Amino acid sequence: GIQVEQSPPDLILQEGANSTLRCNFSDSVNNLQWFHQNPWGQLINLFYIPSGTKQNGRLSATTVATERYSLLYISSSQTTDSGVYFCAVPRRDSNYQLIWGAGTKLIIKP
Amino acid sequence: DVKVTQSSRYLVKRTGEKVFLECVQDMDHENMFWYRQDPGLGLRLIYFSYDVKMKEKGDIPEGYSVSREKKERFSLILESASTNQTSMYLCASSFHSDRGHGSSYNEQFFGPGTRLTVL
Repeated sequence: GIQVEQSPPDLILQEGANSTLRCNFSDSVNNLQWFHQNPWGQLINLFYIPSGTKQNGRLSATTVATERYSLLYISSSQTTDSGVYFCAVPRRDSNYQLIWGAGTKLIIKP
Repeated sequence: DVKVTQSSRYLVKRTGEKVFLECVQDMDHENMFWYRQDPGLGLRLIYFSYDVKMKEKGDIPEGYSVSREKKERFSLILESASTNQTSMYLCASSFHSDRGHGSSYNEQFFGPGTRLTVL
């Protein structure tokens, strides 16, 4: 099955810094989602991005499907950006079941 | 906005009790999912349903059952709770097909989660 790898596993930054999180996947996919899990456990949808670039405020994402990776950019980090960021892609044999990366744990220090 | 709600944020139960976790979505989604999340193991799919009264096992169905009597509601049942079922339980929903929903039809949306402790 498809393998999904995220890097780095952990990231500690000062407030105001920029960061780039990476998601590699081992086979072609027809969609990719980025999520933020806040410290209370809620998974929040950030982007649905099978290809191209999308922006939402201080966050943007780029997926290069032909090279099998996606990047999540966070600019001018705030303490509320802390949490775990996951990417997920659909399984080959079931378009609506997801394969999850292990996540990047981001800590933003004030 | 899609809204997925779960019946409890925190729940404490005793070993052997029957436990019901309920999930409701208001977006007319066909698919609904139950996951559990444990440190170091990530999100694992327990069961999902693609229509009323339809269900399929996920990766870790043992010790769980589900019920989908109405389209908007999906229940996870622990017939006899055990301590190894202490976990964070997350419900999600999505459309099943792209009929009129555009290319992002299978985007999954999550509820706030239920932290279950079994003593």
